[in-house]
Amino acid sequence: KNQVEQSPQSLIILEGKNCTLQCNYTVSPFSNLRWYKQDTGRGPVSLTIMTFSENTKSNGRYTATLDADTKQSSLHITASQLSDSASYICVVSASDSWGKFQFGAGTQVVVTP
Amino acid sequence: EAQVTQNPRYLITVTGKKLTVTCSQNMNHEYMSWYRQDPGLGLRQIYYSMNVEVTDKGDVPEGYKVSRKEKRNFPLILESPSPNQTSLYFCASSLRAFFGTGSYEQYFGPGTRLTVT
Repeated sequence: KNQVEQSPQSLIILEGKNCTLQCNYTVSPFSNLRWYKQDTGRGPVSLTIMTFSENTKSNGRYTATLDADTKQSSLHITASQLSDSASYICVVSASDSWGKFQFGAGTQVVVTP
Repeated sequence: EAQVTQNPRYLITVTGKKLTVTCSQNMNHEYMSWYRQDPGLGLRQIYYSMNVEVTDKGDVPEGYKVSRKEKRNFPLILESPSPNQTSLYFCASSLRAFFGTGSYEQYFGPGTRLTVT
């Protein structure tokens, strides 16, 4: 069973609108959570990294939140642009297994004009 | 330019014919890792290396080998490829995997699309 679940699987939003992606995980003991953006056919690019002591982190129009108690994270995209069309991947690692990463299946975001 | 490179970018091969996918980084990173990406399954970790001569299995190591003889290179070897290894492969590196309170960003290569017939 995948230890990192993302929702929704996909969504379509209008340019200029906001959206929020969800990530639930069961990885334990928790070390850090990352959000990546992956354009079609390219390697993922890091957006944010959060440890258990951080509950929010921003990178431009991207804001990630973390609730380590409920094991949930969200990625909020503000004022979406056409270039935000991509897959967004949540990645979690455990503190007892350095070097190992558990990936969610991703949320495919399509921004339409 | 700081980057992770992979070669080849595309490869079509036949079952059983040994192949190597190379991965190289120019950032003096200690940590390197290989992943495969399949539709609906997301990225899954194959092998990783915390430093030279230190490698360990990820979640899907069967059918793959790796070596880390030098810091910059981390080749992925398929000794006898099978059709179920048809996938998109990514190499990644970071300064370290995680140490103390520092979390290090992973940089991914451009990917290698492998087809085994």
